[in-house]
Amino acid sequence: EPEVTQTPSHQVTQMGQEVILRCVPISNHLYFYWYRQILGQKVEFLVSFYNNEISEKSEIFDDQFSVERPDGSNFTLKIRSTKLEDSAMYFCASSGNRGVYEQYFGPGTRLTVT
Amino acid sequence: SQKIEQNSEALNIQEGKTATLTCNYTNYSPAYLQWYRQDPGRGPVFLLLIRENEKEKRKERLKVTFDTTLKQSLFHITASQPADSATYLCARGNQGGKLIFGQGTELSVKP
Repeated sequence: EPEVTQTPSHQVTQMGQEVILRCVPISNHLYFYWYRQILGQKVEFLVSFYNNEISEKSEIFDDQFSVERPDGSNFTLKIRSTKLEDSAMYFCASSGNRGVYEQYFGPGTRLTVT
Repeated sequence: SQKIEQNSEALNIQEGKTATLTCNYTNYSPAYLQWYRQDPGRGPVFLLLIRENEKEKRKERLKVTFDTTLKQSLFHITASQPADSATYLCARGNQGGKLIFGQGTELSVKP
């Protein structure tokens, strides 16, 4: 069964450093999302992406964040200058259609900022 | 603002019983609600989706209802098994696909 994959599974970085989290969505999906979950808290929407453009972003997704689909398979989330409060589990998700359809989530990347 | 509220208290039930989880939303009805399962340290896994104009949806031992008057969705697992133990997330979605999740309800099914 197709699945969303994410790398690395765990990333440790120092405050102020740039990190890139990578995702490979399901191959025939066109809609991509990033969510994050701070330990013990809700899963929070960050951004949705379609046709090489951001469709919607949350207040969390400020100028420090960017997303890119550099090729036909990868979808990346970059945090330019990490803060302690960026420590969280980051989930990539993809969907075959926009809106009223299920999303398939990856296993997540645990980001620890020290 | 749009919110999703789930009972934050863990639900403990005996194997074979029906588990019922509650999801309440604020403001206007969402176009749809989705239910996901999340195991510790893992990503959410989609279970069921119910649209605003649907009253009930079923899939095997799972059933979800959508009551726009009460602004509530109920999620039922019948004949529960220890393997059903997990955190269950309710999410409201918009037409663009953005999901707003509740905090989840942890279910524990004892043998």
